[in-house]
Amino acid sequence: QKEVEQDPGPLSVPEGAIVSLNCTYSNSAFQYFMWYRQYSRKGPELLMYTYSSGNKEDGRFTAQVDKSSKYISLFIRDSQPSDSATYLCAMSANQGGKLIFGQGTELSVKP
Amino acid sequence: GAVVSQHPSWVICKSGTSVKIECRSLDFQATTMFWYRQFPKQSLMLMATSNEGSKATYEQGVEKDKFLINHASLTLSTLTVTSAHPEDSSFYICSASGGTDTQYFGPGTRLTVL
Repeated sequence: QKEVEQDPGPLSVPEGAIVSLNCTYSNSAFQYFMWYRQYSRKGPELLMYTYSSGNKEDGRFTAQVDKSSKYISLFIRDSQPSDSATYLCAMSANQGGKLIFGQGTELSVKP
Repeated sequence: GAVVSQHPSWVICKSGTSVKIECRSLDFQATTMFWYRQFPKQSLMLMATSNEGSKATYEQGVEKDKFLINHASLTLSTLTVTSAHPEDSSFYICSASGGTDTQYFGPGTRLTVL
């Protein structure tokens, strides 16, 4: 079993839809949780960074962490074609330390 | 803030030659830098972790004599692929951490070995 599980998709939604992306993990030592967006042939771009459990909102993006269930989510409201990319969840036990990545979910937002 | 650059963005080389890739943190001091490789449709695979002024720590299965990493300053790390072969063709990405935050990634370097 992988330490971090993420459905690779692909996921296709119409423009304006709410998108829900999820990851589960098995290591209870993880304290820091991140979502990165990666466009084709580009490096990952940090979207959300969360410590421990709770919610964090930034514009159209909301990250949720439920440590009791070992489950994290990223919600994208009013999705746009420019949101079409691969979304990677990542987590670590130490601040700034080694990241464990999910497989990435490929998202396509159709106009 | 938190900008990481990589150079070159794309390199083509002949089999048997060596290639050096630079990774720079432009607006913060990176106490730790990481090197990843990524194959198409796959997630990032950590190759090694380097701290400024000390030897890199390589992940299991990564040949340290083939992938030479130098982290000479708090803003620069280099990855040298020695005696490159076609199977080394991949997308190489570095990231940097200042120790009080998460990792910030560079734009990646596409290596093609003919």
